Amino acid sequence: DAGITQSPRHKVTETGTPVTLRCHQTENHRYMYWYRQDPGHGLRLIHYSYGVKDTDKGEVSDGYSVSRSKTEDFLLTLESATSSQTSVYFCAIRAEISPLHFGNGTRLTVT
Amino acid sequence: GENVEQHPSTLSVQEGDSAVIKCTYSDSASNYFPWYKQELGKGPQLIIDIRSNVGEKKDQRIAVTLNKTAKHFSLHITETQPEDSAVYFCAASLSGNTPLVFGKGTRLSVIA
Repeated sequence: DAGITQSPRHKVTETGTPVTLRCHQTENHRYMYWYRQDPGHGLRLIHYSYGVKDTDKGEVSDGYSVSRSKTEDFLLTLESATSSQTSVYFCAIRAEISPLHFGNGTRLTVT
Repeated sequence: GENVEQHPSTLSVQEGDSAVIKCTYSDSASNYFPWYKQELGKGPQLIIDIRSNVGEKKDQRIAVTLNKTAKHFSLHITETQPEDSAVYFCAASLSGNTPLVFGKGTRLSVIA
């Protein structure tokens, strides 16, 4: 899967707890993205990064923060998880002017 | 910002028939239009893409057409097979470095 590893693959957490999802790439690509997938909504962009320490918000960024301290890692943090953040989260990577490649996702359940 | 509409949301075809999925976009400046296939439990995978300087592109049984004037593009799958059953997403972006905006997806079922 284009050298992308998402961890964990599955997580169940309680409302109000902090959660961090990790995306690790071995391709040395500049661009990294976090999308969430929900029934009836397709894939929606949460945050993205265009370089180390360079990030920007997407369409559904409220309640999420990200960090990219190394080229290969892009972390997504839910500071205080809510039930509305139950979703499947996909990381994607891309080099300059090249197609987007996705990881296999993290299924997060907030109870 | 860009908005991508995708139809139909579900599609069932008999094996061997053709399937067509249509998308419209709102920003006339968009110039990159990929299609992704997602199988159960996996991430979306790119199957074909087209740029605005091209009207049609084919890859074996898959083709994409683009009508920039009408701001719509379509995915055509011929001679469908059971392994074509999946969720398909269209997307659009202003340029190669702008984040993709996705349609809501089409669940294709190919009935043997």
